[in-house]
Amino acid sequence: RKEVEQDPGPFNVPEGATVAFNCTYSNSASQSFFWYRQDCRKEPKLLMSVYSSGNEDGRFTAQLNRASQYISLLIRDSKLSDSATYLCAVGSSGGSYIPTFGRGTSLIVHP
Amino acid sequence: GAVVSQHPSRVICKSGTSVKIECRSLDFQATTMFWYRQFPKQSLMLMATSNEGSKATYEQGVEKDKFLINHASLTLSTLTVTSAHPEDSSFYICSARARIGSTDTQYFGPGTRLTVL
Repeated sequence: RKEVEQDPGPFNVPEGATVAFNCTYSNSASQSFFWYRQDCRKEPKLLMSVYSSGNEDGRFTAQLNRASQYISLLIRDSKLSDSATYLCAVGSSGGSYIPTFGRGTSLIVHP
Repeated sequence: GAVVSQHPSRVICKSGTSVKIECRSLDFQATTMFWYRQFPKQSLMLMATSNEGSKATYEQGVEKDKFLINHASLTLSTLTVTSAHPEDSSFYICSARARIGSTDTQYFGPGTRLTVL
């Protein structure tokens, strides 16, 4: 089993739709979790950290399910500009912060 | 958020030459920087972890003599691809570890697209 797994997609949704991605991780001792957005031929940009209690930033909601070892990202009211690849990153424990990235989930929002 | 710069943004070179890529943290000090490589439609692959003042830690399968990393200061790490070959053509991205509050977060540089002819 890979350390961090994501459905590569693409997820093809109309504008205004709600879409959710999951990311599973294998290391139960993982401590930090993040979602990044990567546009084509660009570097990943931090979208949001994922906190244990779940957190929201505008149209984006991130949640952590430790029991099932996955994190999720929910995007409400999708915009055309949300089209990108969404990478999850899971940080290792023990103080030696070396995050592992998933392969990314591609989102295409169409008119 | 923290800003990381990377230079050059694009390099085209002949096979056999060496290419040096710089990664700088502009508004914070980074004791740890990371170097990644990403092939088209593939995930980020960690190549090495660069620690200021000490030798880099390379991931399995990454040749340390081919990919030379120097982390000379708290704001600068360099990656030198020695004797580059066409199979080294890729998108090289650095990132720096920053502590925001109590959380360690990674911020990425804009990447360097290397094409070896």
